[in-house]
Amino acid sequence: DIQMTQSPSSLSASAGDRLTITCRASQSIRNYLNWYQQKPGKAPKLLIFAASSLQSGVPSRFSGSGSGTDLTLTISSLQPEDFATYYCQQSYSTPVTFGQGTRVEIK
Amino acid sequence: QVQLQESGPGLVKPSQTLSLTCTVSGGSITSGSYYWSWIRQPAGKGLEWIGRIYTSGSTNYNPSLKSRITISVDTSKNQFSLKLTSVTAADTAVYYCAREADATDSSGYYYNYFDYWGQGTLVTVSS
Repeated sequence: DIQMTQSPSSLSASAGDRLTITCRASQSIRNYLNWYQQKPGKAPKLLIFAASSLQSGVPSRFSGSGSGTDLTLTISSLQPEDFATYYCQQSYSTPVTFGQGTRVEIK
Repeated sequence: QVQLQESGPGLVKPSQTLSLTCTVSGGSITSGSYYWSWIRQPAGKGLEWIGRIYTSGSTNYNPSLKSRITISVDTSKNQFSLKLTSVTAADTAVYYCAREADATDSSGYYYNYFDYWGQGTLVTVSS
């Protein structure tokens, strides 16, 4: 199985901050990487697919980049509604696997 | 707008079988080329992919659970289902059903992602 490791595991930030979350794969996954946002008690919501493609309806402050083993999610200006947990997920091979999550909290 | 809804018992006894159904509305489960997946999340923990089914009936399972899983589809009811046998407390989790879609790039590569999710249902394994 491909292991996905996110960093940091948690962070505190303020509204307006620029935020970057990294996802490292145990082997190259090219750009077969998706990002999800999950709020407490809710299902995950797709933000980015294929490493850098923005899902329809997702604000443009979210962006993804990278290829190979190190990929990133960036939020250009954190909004109050962005405080949540973020997960990466590789779709390069089955079983698909998720990172452990990055919890973004209010500073 | 596609919607998915999980249903099934919220409490299962150890060693018994967990059975869940996902009902798809807002579109036919057979339209388009989608996989239909089950994913679970223990309280306070991360997401684990359980397995998926294509509308043709072909399946892929997580090897860590493969011996205990069966995923099936009932196209007449627009539903797909999960059975997990011999459950233990470690199987206690919120179970999600999800649609797995794909997109192609200019080179013809397919990229899969979960674009629609059910709200999730908590299943507790306890005597």
